[in-house]
Amino acid sequence: DVKVTQSSRYLVKRTGEKVFLECVQDMDHENMFWYRQDPGLGLRLIYFSYDVKMKEKGDIPEGYSVSREKKERFSLILESASTNQTSMYLCASSNPGTKNQPQHFGDGTRLSIL
Amino acid sequence: AQSVTQPDIHITVSEGASLELRCNYSYGATPYLFWYVQSPGQGLQLLLKYFSGDTLVQGIKGFEAEFKRSQSSFNLRKPSVHWSDAAEYFCAVGNLYSGAGSYQLTFGKGTKLSVIP
Repeated sequence: DVKVTQSSRYLVKRTGEKVFLECVQDMDHENMFWYRQDPGLGLRLIYFSYDVKMKEKGDIPEGYSVSREKKERFSLILESASTNQTSMYLCASSNPGTKNQPQHFGDGTRLSIL
Repeated sequence: AQSVTQPDIHITVSEGASLELRCNYSYGATPYLFWYVQSPGQGLQLLLKYFSGDTLVQGIKGFEAEFKRSQSSFNLRKPSVHWSDAAEYFCAVGNLYSGAGSYQLTFGKGTKLSVIP
């Protein structure tokens, strides 16, 4: 079974801090994704990566960056955290090529910026 | 750009009653369509998916969905709801990202399901 692990379930940080959210998948998936989830807005794509060291902007990349140095790990970085980045963050992974491959999600990190 | 509309923010049904959650999408080509479920404090679990072929798709936990191209809809159904089905349900459309041979997902805003015992 696919396992997508997010390093923290809950995280509290202060305004202006640099914040790292980590995600690891164990199925050798090539694609990885970061979403944020807010009540009434559903999930919105922040960034995704389809290969090591590759990244593409999603719908709401402002204020975020990502890093993918190894295939299994995809990090989301808040360079200078702000209160409007308080949210639930979800990581997902998938494989390309085979059309029937869905995205598999981690349990999420609830991030609070004070 | 693709979009997904889930018209019902919150639905309440009695245990044992039938359920239909609505989903309408906007997408130029043949869509990849998904339903995910999220229990409180958890990530998203895939219920079912449609890529092509039979327009009636069976999923896990007794759910099914029907793709209707003429109505741009992909409604989720269950004949008899259980209390454990109380959760939030998300419909999503996949947009093929040709550079990666894979797709991005655009989600609806979700429908929260409450079940009365």
